[in-house]
Amino acid sequence: AQSVTQLDSQVPVFEEAPVELRCNYSSSVSVYLFWYVQYPNQGLQLLLKYLSGSTLVKGINGFEAEFNKSQTSFHLRKPSVHISDTAEYFCAVSEMGFQKLVFGTGTRLLVSP
Amino acid sequence: DTGVSQDPRHKITKRGQNVTFRCDPISEHNRLYWYRQTLGQGPEFLTYFQNEAQLEKSRLLSDRFSAERPKGSFSTLEIQRTEQGDSAMYLCASSSPGTHPWFGPGTRLLVL
Repeated sequence: AQSVTQLDSQVPVFEEAPVELRCNYSSSVSVYLFWYVQYPNQGLQLLLKYLSGSTLVKGINGFEAEFNKSQTSFHLRKPSVHISDTAEYFCAVSEMGFQKLVFGTGTRLLVSP
Repeated sequence: DTGVSQDPRHKITKRGQNVTFRCDPISEHNRLYWYRQTLGQGPEFLTYFQNEAQLEKSRLLSDRFSAERPKGSFSTLEIQRTEQGDSAMYLCASSSPGTHPWFGPGTRLLVL
C-alpha cells in the first residue's frame, strides 16, 4: 500500500517570493507521482506528474517538482508566486497503471501582497 | 469536450434520506473513479470502473453506498439512509489507460 505525507498544512508567503511545498511518499513498488491544485469550491486540476525519465518535472503555471527516489520525496517549487496561486495543493501517488490515487492531506498556500 | 461533469453541484438532505449523484466522464475515457473529500482532508478513493465493470471498491464504501456504470458511460453514486458523517465533497474522475485522472467539479453533500 502507498501513503503520502504533506508535512506542512499551511504555507504563508509573500507575492513574488519563492515557495517549496513538501511531499514524501511510501511505497513498496514503483510509483507515479502527481501534484494537483484545488481552488475554492472546485475540483482538482493537474499541475504536473512524474511517470519516468527526468527527475525534474515542469508543470503548468510555472511550477516544477523534483523526484528523489532515495529520499522518497517529490517536492513542489515555484521561483516566484502570484496572488492567484493561493489554493490547496495535493500530492498523490499511484502504482503504475493509474488504478487509483492516494492523496496527502494537502497544503494550503496563502500568498499575500 | 468540456471535461468531467457532475450533477448536482450541491445537495442538502435530511438524515435518513437517499441521495443519488451523477457523473459524466470525458467521452473517450473508459475508466471512471469516485473519491470522497472531507473538510481539511485529501480525496479518498471509493471505487473504480473500467467500462461497465466495477474493478475495485474501498472498504470506505459501506453497504449503504452503491455505484453503477451501466453502459460504460455515465456513472451514478447512491447513498442510502444518509448519515451526518456522509457530509463531504464527492469527486468523480475519468481517464484513458495510461493517462492520469481528470477530475470533475464535485458534488458537495450536506446531511442535516
